[in-house]
Amino acid sequence: DAMVIQNPRYQVTQFGKPVTLSCSQTLNHNVMYWYQQKSSQAPKLLFHYYDKDFNNEADTPDNFQSRRPNTSFCFLDIRSPGLGDAAMYLCATSRDAGDTQYFGPGTRLTVL
Amino acid sequence: EDQVTQSPEALRLQEGESSSLNCSYTVSGLRGLFWYRQDPGKGPEFLFTLYSAGEEKEKERLKATLTKKESFLHITAPKPEDSATYLCAVQAPGYGGSQGNLIFGKGTKLSVKP
Repeated sequence: DAMVIQNPRYQVTQFGKPVTLSCSQTLNHNVMYWYQQKSSQAPKLLFHYYDKDFNNEADTPDNFQSRRPNTSFCFLDIRSPGLGDAAMYLCATSRDAGDTQYFGPGTRLTVL
Repeated sequence: EDQVTQSPEALRLQEGESSSLNCSYTVSGLRGLFWYRQDPGKGPEFLFTLYSAGEEKEKERLKATLTKKESFLHITAPKPEDSATYLCAVQAPGYGGSQGNLIFGKGTKLSVKP
């Protein structure tokens, strides 16, 4: 089945230790998104790629970076995680801008 | 500013007790309104897209409706397996790289007791 896959499902890191989260998709969608969701909060868009074009939300901290080496994969890099970065990180894809977004299962990040 | 407000924040129902969840929005030029279901510790699962006032969509015990200011998710005779958080999101026209971006509400946490 075509799907959005996120690895790992759970990630524990230490304060200030860089961490990378991974997302892959078999849907061959053009657009890939990264959201941050804290407990009982709405998902918050961090950035997205339309093909190779990177679009950063204005309020996304510089601590967060992303890479999309090919159509299938997208990575979220947190350079120096703080305690406030503990959250669920969701990857989503859509065929084109404005189309329905399909989400992966998420990665739960814990910062010690 | 584009905004999405969902109510109530939490809803407890008995099995079989029908009810509705509300999503009110303020957005300039709505492109689409989306409903998702999210189970604890999982990613949102797509349910419906609505594009214009008066539109309705149904899936099993769920029915979504849309007006110019709000959307309702009606749940008929719910079962315990319908327990989840239901998220509403709107899509504004955007421009350039922000086209297609979703603005989410905080969700309604639904609990259905047997």
